[in-house]
This record gives sequence, C-alpha cells and structure tokens, in this order.
Amino acid sequence: SQQGEEDPQALSIQEGENATMNCSYKTSINNLQWYRQNSGRGLVHLILIRSNEREKHSGRLRVTLDTSKKSSSLLITASRAADTASYFCATARLDTGANSKLTFGKGITLSVRP
Amino acid sequence: GAVVSQHPSWVICKSGTSVKIECRSLDFQATTMFWYRQFPKQSLMLMATSNEGSKATYEQGVEKDKFLINHASLTLSTLTVTSAHPEDSSFYICSARVTRAGGGINEQYFGPGTRLTVT
Repeated sequence: SQQGEEDPQALSIQEGENATMNCSYKTSINNLQWYRQNSGRGLVHLILIRSNEREKHSGRLRVTLDTSKKSSSLLITASRAADTASYFCATARLDTGANSKLTFGKGITLSVRP
Repeated sequence: GAVVSQHPSWVICKSGTSVKIECRSLDFQATTMFWYRQFPKQSLMLMATSNEGSKATYEQGVEKDKFLINHASLTLSTLTVTSAHPEDSSFYICSARVTRAGGGINEQYFGPGTRLTVT
C-alpha cells in the first residue's frame, strides 16, 4: 500500500455538520499537508503541519498529527456545499528533507448535501 | 501570489502524435517544478522533478524518452508526451515550489491541470 492513505474513501454529510477525514502513512515524515481538489481541477493547498506539531487551525479547518500512530486527521467544521471536493493528504519524507517531493494518498471524496 | 498556470487546459490528439504541455509560475520564480499524472478518481502520481537548467529526475517506471521535460527558465517547464497512445490519456498536473527567504519548508503550488485525450 502507498504512503498516505485516507479514510473513509467517500463521505457524505449534511450542510452544517462536521466532516472528519483521516490519513495514515508509513514512513517517518518531515511534514504532512492537506490539499483539496475540485472535480477536474488542480489542487489547492489547505494546511501544512510539521512533524513536531500536534494540531493546527486555519479558519474552519483543524488538523491533528499523531506521529506515534503515523496518522493525521482533517476536520472541517460547519460544512458547506462548497466544501464538496476530493481531499488528499501528502507527506514529505523525513529522510529526504523538508523540501522533498510529496507523496499523495488516494484521496477522500466529500459530498456536502445542501 | 504564487499562481501557477498550465496550457492548454485540455487537448485531444491522435495516436502517434506528440503533445506539449506548459507549466508557468506567474508571479514567482521556481527552480523546481513537479509533474504529476492523475487517473480518474485516483491519486496524483509523481512523474518527474524538473530542475531549472539541468536534467529532470524521473520516478521509477516513467519513461524519460516518452515524457520529455524541459525547464528552460525559472518560470517555465514543459512536458512533451511523445508518440502519444490512448493509454497516455490522463490528467497532467504540474506544481512549482516556492523558495522562501530564510529557509524553512518550501510550499508547492499547483497548476489547474491539463486533460489529455489520445484517440
């Protein structure tokens, strides 16, 4: 299996609810990033969390990182229909430095029903 | 700031022809750009790392003679799919790495992608 695997693979919620997406990885990392992709479009960087951080917030986004479990979660609070998209976690491996290439997970498809 | 463009946004070509895709950093210089390939409902797979002024570094399994990369300037990298075949049909996405003053983790900004269909 590949580095950076998200679960669930698909999530459908009602507008206003919170959405929680999880990502697991296998190697030691320098940082982990979450991206959003609308259908047929490029990726938008959401948030980066470094390996020595445990939690970060950005607007309605909250990311946690547990390096002992090699996992991260992305929480979107008070979801909106516009949050409908695919979400990917991506890791930068520790052994290749902070500026190394990213390895992407398979992605989670989030559908927010109006 | 940190906008990356790709051209064309979509292209249809006949089998056996070559197609060039451009990736430009519009408001910053990028010594490193990345080319990814994405199949429908799947993740991004890194194809190669493009370094300005030097040869690209290809990932295992990616044919460098088929996917030609040229990073001629600090704002432009091109990917040429040579002798394209239907199995090359995919969504190709580039990203450019922003170099921040003072060091630290550099961020990648992604282009909008190019949809290639080979008939």
